[in-house]
Amino acid sequence: DGGITQSPKYLFRKEGQNVTLSCEQNLNHDAMYWYRQDPGQGLRLIYYSQIVNDFQKGDIAEGYSVSREKKESFPLTVTSAQKNPTAFYLCASSGGAWDSPLHFGNGTRLTVT
Amino acid sequence: SQQGEEDPQALSIQEGENATMNCSYKTSINNLQWYRQNSGRGLVHLILIRSNEREKHSGRLRVTLDTSKKSSSLLITASRAADTASYFCATVLSYNTDKLIFGTGTRLQVFP
Repeated sequence: DGGITQSPKYLFRKEGQNVTLSCEQNLNHDAMYWYRQDPGQGLRLIYYSQIVNDFQKGDIAEGYSVSREKKESFPLTVTSAQKNPTAFYLCASSGGAWDSPLHFGNGTRLTVT
Repeated sequence: SQQGEEDPQALSIQEGENATMNCSYKTSINNLQWYRQNSGRGLVHLILIRSNEREKHSGRLRVTLDTSKKSSSLLITASRAADTASYFCATVLSYNTDKLIFGTGTRLQVFP
């Protein structure tokens, strides 16, 4: 089945540690996205990538980094510089055209203490 | 600030009733999309309406778009308990078609 896989589902880290969230898709989609969702809130865009080896900052990129070395993979690193990293992180992909819907993974819930 | 704002923030209805959610946005769009999110899960795409369209249907869903008022509505007819979820509108801006900007969502509770 085609889809997006995010792992792990739950992640716990101590403050000051970097952590990398995995996102893999087998939909052959060009574009991939990372969103952050806080309780009872909408989604805020962290980073997005329209093509391999290229990515752009979203609205809340500070404290995060990404790479896009392969079409299928778009990992997100939450660095120690992110002031409030505890959140639900959602990865998505699309065909890349402006009218292509997004396909989402089931998210990673990160808790930093 | 958010491009899209949904109204109401929360809605509770009985099975069989219709549910209407509204979305207002601030700047010119290419299209507007509605997504559904079950608790603790990813979002699922429901329907897309382009800026030159006024109404679209998909099963029990009806979406309208009024670009003069910068608003859209999602109607779910004959609701079921399984429709319980959060519903988000999202817009693709006309001057930046690379990304989708989400609203704050409406939490719908359908009681059996």
